[in-house]
Amino acid sequence: QVQLQESGPGLVKPSETLSLTCSVSGGSVSRFYWSWIRQAPGKGLEYIGYIYYSESTSYNPALKSRVSISVDTSKNQLSLRLSSVTAADTAIYFCARVNWRENWFDPWGQGTMVTVSS
Amino acid sequence: QTVVTQEPSFSVSPGGTITLTCGLTSGSVSTNFYPSWYQQTPGQTPRTLIYNTDTRSSGVPDRFSGSIVGNKAALTITGAQADDESHYYCVLYMGSAIWVFGGGTKLTVL
Repeated sequence: QVQLQESGPGLVKPSETLSLTCSVSGGSVSRFYWSWIRQAPGKGLEYIGYIYYSESTSYNPALKSRVSISVDTSKNQLSLRLSSVTAADTAIYFCARVNWRENWFDPWGQGTMVTVSS
Repeated sequence: QTVVTQEPSFSVSPGGTITLTCGLTSGSVSTNFYPSWYQQTPGQTPRTLIYNTDTRSSGVPDRFSGSIVGNKAALTITGAQADDESHYYCVLYMGSAIWVFGGGTKLTVL
């Protein structure tokens, strides 16, 4: 079964770029659709974007100008980059597989907390 | 901008039945939005309950059910248990690979 594990710096300075990685095990990153979702402290879930095998990406319009999602097939990973971060980007960041046929998210990684602070 | 709406909070008695809803600020929710529902307890990863409106995810007890009620997606919990006390999130597929989450419902069982 597919398992996901996010990793990356827990602290990022304002105006810098947040970079996270999601390692995929139990399946090939090139075979499925993947997404990033975040959750600010005490808040709800927010869709960030999705990718399919580097062929297609789509991003939340609210974040589109700052976000980039990519895959590294050699490492079986997907990555998230979010530029010009502010305190509002402080959140737990989850990666999740997109079940494309019926448009739902499963499984999810355990999430990684990122704090934006100087 | 379309917003997905959920009740901010709800309470149910143990053994009771409750229906949480997922709507749109503009328009009606239909199966075309592929509504899915996730349960999240504090500090935990979201757990998939329902996808494609009414399909239970593997291992989810049949006291959780999904449907369309009126112009909203609905999650019904029949025979609520103490460990159902969680946050519940719906998400709708808007097309063009865009999903929008609702703000979540905090369910209290007491």
